[in-house]
Amino acid sequence: AQKVTQAQTEISVVEKEDVTLDCVYETRDTTYYLFWYKQPPSGELVFLIRRNSFDEQNEISGRYSWNFQKSTSSFNFTITASQVVDSAVYFCALSEGGSSNTGKLIFGQGTTLQVKP
Amino acid sequence: ETGVTQTPRHLVMGMTNKKSLKCEQHLGHNAMYWYKQSAKKPLELMFVYSLEERVENNSVPSRFSPECPNSSHLFLHLHTLQPEDSALYLCASSPSTEPFRDSPLHFGNGTRLTVT
Repeated sequence: AQKVTQAQTEISVVEKEDVTLDCVYETRDTTYYLFWYKQPPSGELVFLIRRNSFDEQNEISGRYSWNFQKSTSSFNFTITASQVVDSAVYFCALSEGGSSNTGKLIFGQGTTLQVKP
Repeated sequence: ETGVTQTPRHLVMGMTNKKSLKCEQHLGHNAMYWYKQSAKKPLELMFVYSLEERVENNSVPSRFSPECPNSSHLFLHLHTLQPEDSALYLCASSPSTEPFRDSPLHFGNGTRLTVT
């Protein structure tokens, strides 16, 4: 069965610290997609990144970076030099890549990140 | 104007009431979704519509009734809800239900529902 685990329920850091949010997934599919979403207090989920299972290249976007390792079924997210505006709940999600997929994202429990000034 | 708009933002209803949640997307997408976010639980997919046809009903109780009159609008009709139905209901859209080759889901701000 598919499953996404975000073991860190809450993380608190001081501004300018680096922080890594962990995500471990389970799937039997060879083709799948992994996502990170950010949910600020306003409620909407904001898409951050999508990675397909055939692309293990790490990615950097400004202060954000993602480390995808199929060997450990992990897709971790690092924020460098964190800022107060990064405070939010972050969700990791998994989707099958087959044609039967109808948009079903399997979400982790989410990690609440608090960045203090 | 945001891509996906949900109204109302907050709703309090009694167990015998009937109410509806509305979602509108301005992105030209063909697929729309309802997700439920309960406290301490992962987001759960409820319904998927593709080109106004329901393509997935994820074992949702019949007291939740979706409606998709066109590709831009999605409703969730609620009746005789239970207190455990209190949650954040999120609407999302995507260009199609193809497995995310080109675009991820775009979410609205959600409706915070409280059932008393």
